[in-house]
Amino acid sequence: RKEVEQDPGPFNVPEGATVAFNCTYSNSASQSFFWYRQDCRKEPKLLMSVYSSGNEDGRFTAQLNRASQYISLLIRDSKLSDSATYLCVGMYSSASKIIFGSGTRLSIRP
Amino acid sequence: DAGVIQSPRHEVTEMGQEVTLRCKPISGHNSLFWYRQTMMRGLELLIYFNNNVPIDDSGMPEDRFSAKMPNASFSTLKIQPSEPRDSAVYFCASSFGTRSMDYEQYFGPGTRLTVT
Repeated sequence: RKEVEQDPGPFNVPEGATVAFNCTYSNSASQSFFWYRQDCRKEPKLLMSVYSSGNEDGRFTAQLNRASQYISLLIRDSKLSDSATYLCVGMYSSASKIIFGSGTRLSIRP
Repeated sequence: DAGVIQSPRHEVTEMGQEVTLRCKPISGHNSLFWYRQTMMRGLELLIYFNNNVPIDDSGMPEDRFSAKMPNASFSTLKIQPSEPRDSAVYFCASSFGTRSMDYEQYFGPGTRLTVT
């Protein structure tokens, strides 16, 4: 089993819809989590950090559920420009490990 | 401000040849990371440096791979001899922080390596 797992998608949703996807992790020692966004043939860019209390940035909401060992990303009022691959990242600082999920592909249609 | 700079952007080489990838981190950042991305394996951390010192190289696939950071503004990833299975996009990323990795990483545009 992979340490960080994501549904590869693709998620194909209409513009304006709300879409959510999860990422599960297997190592309970994971300390920090992030969502990165990667456009086709481009480098990953940080979208947001994920905190236990949950955090929101405009149309994006991220949450961490340590009991069930998953993190989630919710995108409201989706835009065409949200089409990208979303990478879930878990970090274990004590072990100097950083694990990227394989990514969830999101496609927003007009 | 310049972001992370990588060169070359594309490299095509023949099996057995030496390949050197270069990275200039963002000025002031003290951590540098080398990643490899393939369709099959996704994004994998190869090695990371903090204050020019290699902290963890457990992700380096084998002895054919080596990385150096002679100063705060330059790092290299070398593959010798290269093999077709090394074909991938290699990203360099930098961040500012302590040995803890819990800081935003800024990625370079990547080097697309093809080994024939």
